[in-house]
Amino acid sequence: DADVTQTPRNRITKTGKRIMLECSQTKGHDRMYWYRQDPGLGLRLIYYSFDVKDINKGEISDGYSVSRQAQAKFSLSLESAIPNQTALYFCATSDLLAGGINEQFFGPGTRLTVL
Amino acid sequence: AQSVAQPEDQVNVAEGNPLTVKCTYSVSGNPYLFWYVQYPNRGLQFLLKYITGDNLVKGSYGFEAEFNKSQTSFHLKKPSALVSDSALYFCAVRDGNNNDMRFGAGTRLTVKP
Repeated sequence: DADVTQTPRNRITKTGKRIMLECSQTKGHDRMYWYRQDPGLGLRLIYYSFDVKDINKGEISDGYSVSRQAQAKFSLSLESAIPNQTALYFCATSDLLAGGINEQFFGPGTRLTVL
Repeated sequence: AQSVAQPEDQVNVAEGNPLTVKCTYSVSGNPYLFWYVQYPNRGLQFLLKYITGDNLVKGSYGFEAEFNKSQTSFHLKKPSALVSDSALYFCAVRDGNNNDMRFGAGTRLTVKP
């Protein structure tokens, strides 16, 4: 979805390096999410944010940190990358409708390889 | 915590035949259920959701899904498959008592001409 962009799209790095993945959205949504996708495991939630001042850990937050710089921007950092963080990373957004039950809109993904 | 199971890694059907992609779930509260599709080198795209109401939910591209509370299932169906339906399909569930979504491992659908 062109309304949710991720940079970079591909990144190869070495063990121990600090990496930042960036996500921007023009949908005006309050909620933003970071997932990683691994073959056979589906998507697992790393962190999510319901507004600029709200950050929450997801299922697998260890080794990751996030920053919500603005409503439209949500960055994921790997402070010291390790090989088992090699995965496809997705950013997603959703709107805060009544009841808060709504679908998520995904970016195109960032393929990260840690050597 | 909520969880989702997609028991089939791979589903193969012939073009024009009906297709079913299975999903079962486990939640402690009310389930909110979703189906997404992922085409190669793309992010996930929303297909349909069940929140409340009619157990048969209709979505994009002719897909539908039936919520079955007694069997805790939410299978995705389409009456007549197209080759262009070939993709990776994910079922997801959110428990009404918390905020995060859990995805299944995905089912790869291949529709052969």
